[in-house]
Amino acid sequence: GAGVSQSPRYKVAKRGQDVALRCDPISGHVSLFWYQQALGQGPEFLTYFQNEAQLDKSGLPSDRFFAERPEGSVSTLKIQRTQQEDSAVYLCASSSTSGTPTDTQYFGPGTRLTVL
Amino acid sequence: AQSVAQPEDQVNVAEGNPLTVKCTYSVSGNPYLFWYVQYPNRGLQFLLKYITGDNLVKGSYGFEAEFNKSQTSFHLKKPSALVSDSALYFCAVRVNNAGNMLTFGGGTRLMVKP
Repeated sequence: GAGVSQSPRYKVAKRGQDVALRCDPISGHVSLFWYQQALGQGPEFLTYFQNEAQLDKSGLPSDRFFAERPEGSVSTLKIQRTQQEDSAVYLCASSSTSGTPTDTQYFGPGTRLTVL
Repeated sequence: AQSVAQPEDQVNVAEGNPLTVKCTYSVSGNPYLFWYVQYPNRGLQFLLKYITGDNLVKGSYGFEAEFNKSQTSFHLKKPSALVSDSALYFCAVRVNNAGNMLTFGGGTRLMVKP
C-alpha cells in the first residue's frame, strides 16, 4: 500500500507570500501530525488531528500558521505572509489509531520550504 | 516536560564493526521510545520502538536497541555495520499523559566507511 505522500516536495516563496502544503496520509489512518524540521535539527511538533478534529495545535509558532483536515483524510498546512525563519522541511505523519501513545507514526518525504 | 538527548553529532565506524548510537531521555511517566532513520531528501523511516516488556528490542535492517530504565537510555545498536547504514538517526519519546506528539532528539549522523 502507498505510504504518506506530500506535495509539493520543494517550494520556494518570496517573503510575504502565502503557501499551502498538502499531506495525503496512509488510507484509513485516524491520526495525522505535522512537524517542522529546521536544518540540522530534529523534527518539532506543530499540530495533531484525530480524523477532522484538530486536537492539539500547541506547536504552531504563530497565528500565521494554520492547518486543516476537513474530511478527515487529506490535510493542508497553510503559512501566511511567510518569513525567512519559516524555511524548513515540513513533515507529515499518520498513525492508524487515535490517542494511543504506543502507535507508530509513519512519515512522508516532507516539503522543503525556502523563503527568500 | 519530556526531552531527548543524542550526545553525539556524528558517529564513525568501519564497515563490519559493531555500531552504537546513543540516546538518553527525560520524562515524567512511563516512556515509549522510538528510533527513526532519515536518508537524504527523504522522510523519517521507522526502525523500532520500546513499549514494555523485554528491554532488548529488535527492529528493521538488523538494528536493535536496549532500554535501560535506571540510566534512562535507549541506545541503538547493530552487530555489523554496512556502508548503506550511513544516514541520520533520530531517537524520540512519547509519554502517555503528554499528548500524542513525538519529542525528538537532535539527531546523530552515522558514517560507515568501507
